[in-house]
Amino acid sequence: DSGVTQTPKHLITATGQRVTLRCSPRSGDLSVYWYQQSLDQGLQFLIQYYNGEERAKGNILERFSAQQFPDLHSELNLSSLELGDSALYFCASNQGDLGIGEQFFGPGTRLTVL
Amino acid sequence: AQTVTQSQPEMSVQEAETVTLSCTYDTSENNYYLFWYKQPPSRQMILVIRQEAYKQQNATENRFSVNFQKAAKSFSLKISDSQLGDTAMYFCAFADNNNDMRFGAGTRLTVKP
Repeated sequence: DSGVTQTPKHLITATGQRVTLRCSPRSGDLSVYWYQQSLDQGLQFLIQYYNGEERAKGNILERFSAQQFPDLHSELNLSSLELGDSALYFCASNQGDLGIGEQFFGPGTRLTVL
Repeated sequence: AQTVTQSQPEMSVQEAETVTLSCTYDTSENNYYLFWYKQPPSRQMILVIRQEAYKQQNATENRFSVNFQKAAKSFSLKISDSQLGDTAMYFCAFADNNNDMRFGAGTRLTVKP
């Protein structure tokens, strides 16, 4: 158990809908990262937050947005969903200080868009 | 931009044998971190081993060890005495000092009884 929690575990929805994925980082971690893993693919970095502020952006679509709240949990919002958005979405956390390197991953949320 | 390449999409090994998974990366930075993550069928991402670029000594964790060749930008993972529970996807990852992490496409390892 990494200490990072994600809810829900599974999500099934229809095209055009909007969903919110939630992540709670490890105790003491200030940085949260979101990744997308499509079937049998590697992990694609979406976005990073550090202590409530956006720090880095990867290949995140305009239909997707995220935020980190004062209690440091983070939410990833996916809107106007398409079939291709079906994937496993991981959240990871670390202290976020420069040079830390290692990230601790949550169990993921499996999103299925029908 | 940093890139990570895993040239072996699939590999297999007999139980108790040794297998080596390859990884190369491209970066212009001098200080960085390299990782191997394991993703079993449960899909959980599990850190197997990490290496800091400034350390010349290769990292070792029980049956797992790496061969880190900084000049060649190569970071291979050796699994000794393979066990059935080692069956998983293995991802090589690179992280710079800003915690920007990039993953390779993965190698699917099957350990055969």
